[in-house]
Amino acid sequence: EPEVTQTPSHQVTQMGQEVILRCVPISNHLYFYWYRQILGQKVEFLVSFYNNEISEKSEIFDDQFSVERPDGSNFTLKIRSTKLEDSAMYFCASSLRGPTYEQYFGPGTRLTVT
Amino acid sequence: AQSVSQHNHHVILSEAASLELGCNYSYGGTVNLFWYVQYPGQHLQLLLKYFSGDPLVKGIKGFEAEFIKSKFSFNLRKPSVQWSDTAEYFCAVNDDYKLSFGAGTTVTVRA
Repeated sequence: EPEVTQTPSHQVTQMGQEVILRCVPISNHLYFYWYRQILGQKVEFLVSFYNNEISEKSEIFDDQFSVERPDGSNFTLKIRSTKLEDSAMYFCASSLRGPTYEQYFGPGTRLTVT
Repeated sequence: AQSVSQHNHHVILSEAASLELGCNYSYGGTVNLFWYVQYPGQHLQLLLKYFSGDPLVKGIKGFEAEFIKSKFSFNLRKPSVQWSDTAEYFCAVNDDYKLSFGAGTTVTVRA
C-alpha cells in the first residue's frame, strides 16, 4: 500500500538555523499539507498546497516558513530561522481529492531546536 | 473555525472490555468526520470516515463510529479491545480547507 514518507525522522538544530523537512506524498495525490504537533498539544494545520501553489495557510505559517515542490515527488517545508517554539513533530499529509476528504499522513519529523 | 473535543485524555482498560471514545465538534452544516489512530512509534492512520449516508460507519480492526447530527457527535466504539489497540486516537473534522483535530485520547489496554 502506498505511504507518505518523511525524512529525517529526527532533526536537531540550533536556534536561528534553517531547516528543511522533506516529504514524499503518495504518487497520484494532488493535495499536500503540513501539520505540526507541539508536545502535549493538538495537531495543528500549517499549510495546504495544490497545483504548485499554497492554497491556504494558518496564522502559524508566517514569513519564516515556506513550502516547495521542487520536483514531481518531493514536498518540502523550510523554516528559515528556527526558534525554540518551533520544536514539534511535523507531519506531512496528502490527499487525492480536496482537503475535506481523507488525508494520509507520514510518520512525522521530530524537530528539536536548542 | 471548528473546535473538536475529545472527552477522555487517557483511558485504561483490560483486554476484551468494550471501548467508547467521545468526540464532539462545534458547529453543524455539512461535515466530514474522521478517526485516526497512532500506534506507538508509527504514523497517523485512518481508522474510519463519515461523509454521508448511514450514520453508523465501520472501519478497520473492528472499530465503528456513530454520527449523531443533533448532538454534533462522532463517537468511536469497539466491542472487545485487544492489547494491540493500545494507541492514541484522534478525532478530526473537516474545517474548510483543513482538518481540525481533537486533543487525542491515549488508550492503554492491559493484558
